[in-house]
Amino acid sequence: EAGVVQSPRYKIIEKKQPVAFWCNPISGHNTLYWYLQNLGQGPELLIRYENEEAVDDSQLPKDRFSAERLKGVDSTLKIQPAELGDSAVYLCASSTPIGELFFGEGSRLTVL
Amino acid sequence: GNSVTQMEGPVTLSEEAFLTINCTYTATGYPSLFWYVQYPGEGLQLLLKATKADDKGSNKGFEATYRKETTSFHLEKGSVQVSDSAVYFCALSGTTGFQKLVFGTGTRLLVSP
Repeated sequence: EAGVVQSPRYKIIEKKQPVAFWCNPISGHNTLYWYLQNLGQGPELLIRYENEEAVDDSQLPKDRFSAERLKGVDSTLKIQPAELGDSAVYLCASSTPIGELFFGEGSRLTVL
Repeated sequence: GNSVTQMEGPVTLSEEAFLTINCTYTATGYPSLFWYVQYPGEGLQLLLKATKADDKGSNKGFEATYRKETTSFHLEKGSVQVSDSAVYFCALSGTTGFQKLVFGTGTRLLVSP
């Protein structure tokens, strides 16, 4: 069974540029999460989707971050414009509604 | 709010040594507790969990007991292997499921032959 797939694995951009990350969850998992992991820190939830509805986005900095999950499957997380402090690993995870989270390998962003 | 504190790493051990990674938590109500592991180049994986006081989670030789009186969930393994080298994250959820996971900062374990 395929796991959670994220792309790109690595992205280097200059500040003020836009960037987007893509996530394909495990088939049949209705719940999708985006987490932010800063260097030396644990993951922090940015947003959680139940199907196509964002049910918890309280930690998403909405001035520059946006996310969508069209058709309740794949999801995209966008940052525009990126700032130096956005350098981190962006993790996607999926699960059944109250079940175990399965994480992707993450997308590592470096903002210069 | 809910929070998790775990010991700083790296923890450096020789193969077959005993491992303890300390984790304490602050939470309202009765959280569920988890240990996740991240092997080099891979995503986080659930290692074990406990959903109520005095429960013991176990997997792959690792164990952790949910201690409500000391608000702790320490990870232990009797004999570590080189392949156990990874970063270990303690986490809690304030709900019955996994939806509201709060992670600690992670502890890197390095096991040498």
